[in-house]
Parts: sequence; C-alpha cells; structure tokens
Amino acid sequence: AQSVAQPEDQVNVAEGNPLTVKCTYSVSGNPYLFWYVQYPNRGLQFLLKYITGDNLVKGSYGFEAEFNKSQTSFHLKKPSALVSDSALYFCAVRAKTGANNLFFGTGTRLTVIP
Amino acid sequence: DADVTQTPRNRITKTGKRIMLECSQTKGHDRMYWYRQDPGLGLRLIYYSFDVKDINKGEISDGYSVSRQAQAKFSLSLESAIPNQTALYFCATSLSPSTDTQYFGPGTRLTVL
Repeated sequence: AQSVAQPEDQVNVAEGNPLTVKCTYSVSGNPYLFWYVQYPNRGLQFLLKYITGDNLVKGSYGFEAEFNKSQTSFHLKKPSALVSDSALYFCAVRAKTGANNLFFGTGTRLTVIP
Repeated sequence: DADVTQTPRNRITKTGKRIMLECSQTKGHDRMYWYRQDPGLGLRLIYYSFDVKDINKGEISDGYSVSRQAQAKFSLSLESAIPNQTALYFCATSLSPSTDTQYFGPGTRLTVL
C-alpha cells in the first residue's frame, strides 16, 4: 500500500528564516515524489518532483526538496521564507509500477510571519 | 491553471439531486483525474481515465460516476447527492508517462444540504 505522512498540520516561520515542511512516504519499490502548493481559492500548483538521479531537487519559487531513501523522506525546504509563501503544501507519492495513481498527504499549512 | 477549467466553481444542492461537474482541458493530455479534498484528509482519487475508452475507479468511487466524452472533457456525476459528498472537487490532467506532473483545475466547491 502507498501512503504519505505529513506530520505537521501547521508550520509557522518568520520571514527571512529557513523553512522545512516534512514528508515521509511508504511505497513498494522506488517512488516518484511530488510537492504541490495550494493558495486560497486556487487549485494545486506543481512545485517540484523527484523521479531519479540527484537526491536534491530544485523547483519553483526557490523551493527545493531532498530525497532520502533510507529515511523514506522528501522534505520541502527554502533558505529564506517570504510572506507570499504562506499556503497549504501537499506531498504526493506514486509507485513506479502498478496503476500509477498519486497518493497525497493531508497537507501542511505554512504561515510566514512578517 | 487556465489550461484546465472546471464548471461550476460553486454549487449548492439538496440531498437526492443529481449533479454533474465538468472538466475541460486544452493541454492535449491523455490522462484525466477527479479528486475530492476534505479538510484534514488531503486529496483522494475518485476516478481516472487514461484515454477516452479507459476509465478506472479510484480510492473512493462509490456514489460517483464519470464520463469521458472526448480527450479534452471528463465529467463527474453524483447520481443522488448526499451531505457527506460536500467537498472541494478537483480535476487534473497529465501526459501518458507516469513520471509526468499532474496539472489541476481551480476546483468546484460542492455543498449538499
């Protein structure tokens, strides 16, 4: 069975400080991993994905994520948070074989405090 | 993403009514998906379609049906709406490779009274 855990419902960080949004996953075999962001009254927007290769993935708006196979984690990071980064963030996983459906975490609400 | 549109954006209906949510895309993608979002539960897959003749059930298909009228159109129906189907519904599309990103529409907020 595939699943994603985002252990923090809410993350608060001061503007200019580094931010981390945590994600761990469970999947049979090697995973494809994704991060999406949802702004109020909007659909989900793609941030970045890990397919293969370099464990550090760089994405939109200065975000990056590190794939850690031994810890089955794919944490989202940004060196310096902006107030405009405040949003709901979703991690998702897909197995490389099978139906290829995306399984989403429950989301983490990031608030960047001015 | 303006390439994936959903209608209506908001809908209030009563228990027992039949409702159809529509999704259209101009991205030329073969694959289309319907998800529902509930607070604290993230997104859950209802149905997905890999092409016009290929439709598959997702995690929570009970009480829903879909129609893939064309490559660009994928409709979700609630045959007899019930209050616990109150949710935010998203359509998404992707290209055929499983590595490809899914692109989401703006969502339809459905309230069943």
